[in-house]
Amino acid sequence: DQQVKQNSPSLSVQEGRISILNCDYTNSMFDYFLWYKKYPAEGPTFLISISSIKDKNEDGRFTVFLNKSAKHLSLHIVPSQPGDSAVYFCAASVFGNEKLTFGTGTRLTIIP
Amino acid sequence: DADVTQTPRNRITKTGKRIMLECSQTKGHDRMYWYRQDPGLGLRLIYYSFDVKDINKGEISDGYSVSRQAQAKFSLSLESAIPNQTALYFCATSDSTLTSGGLRNEQFFGPGTRLTVL
Repeated sequence: DQQVKQNSPSLSVQEGRISILNCDYTNSMFDYFLWYKKYPAEGPTFLISISSIKDKNEDGRFTVFLNKSAKHLSLHIVPSQPGDSAVYFCAASVFGNEKLTFGTGTRLTIIP
Repeated sequence: DADVTQTPRNRITKTGKRIMLECSQTKGHDRMYWYRQDPGLGLRLIYYSFDVKDINKGEISDGYSVSRQAQAKFSLSLESAIPNQTALYFCATSDSTLTSGGLRNEQFFGPGTRLTVL
């Protein structure tokens, strides 16, 4: 049972445009969400997170939006740069339980 | 120097062999985790440890065991490796912080070990 879903295995975006990566979850107990970025031959690195008490969190070019009623979050990257080409994982956890449940990942390719 | 290191980085072994993957961290975190990554399945939790005396099974612990030798070291063992344990294995650490926005429990990952079981 996949509690965190990333339905798009891959996404290609022109350099300079907006990249939107989506993530859906089924467990209504999840209240903390994270995005990780992974380059080949490296471990995932933390990118940005959001708590369920917020609906938006911004950090430079990266913004995460949370729609609790739809159990949906998205990561926006503006403007997209070639270095953003990587696999992006969405993850979720329940307050007080530090285990993360990961999605299957979306491979983002930025086209120069 | 990397905060979370894993050895070996690559390993090819045969079915039935015992394998140990090692993880060390210099972040001073109490919490450590082992994940495996398979194509199309994301990262799945194998075992986790919140301190030296606390070991917990994750969602896919069958066929694996762990040892927390010290705060900084967490090893994963495959007692008798089988081909479907071929995967990319990641160690991670975390140190939860309570903020105004809630509990932050971002995890920091090692570079991974690519294990192939023939």
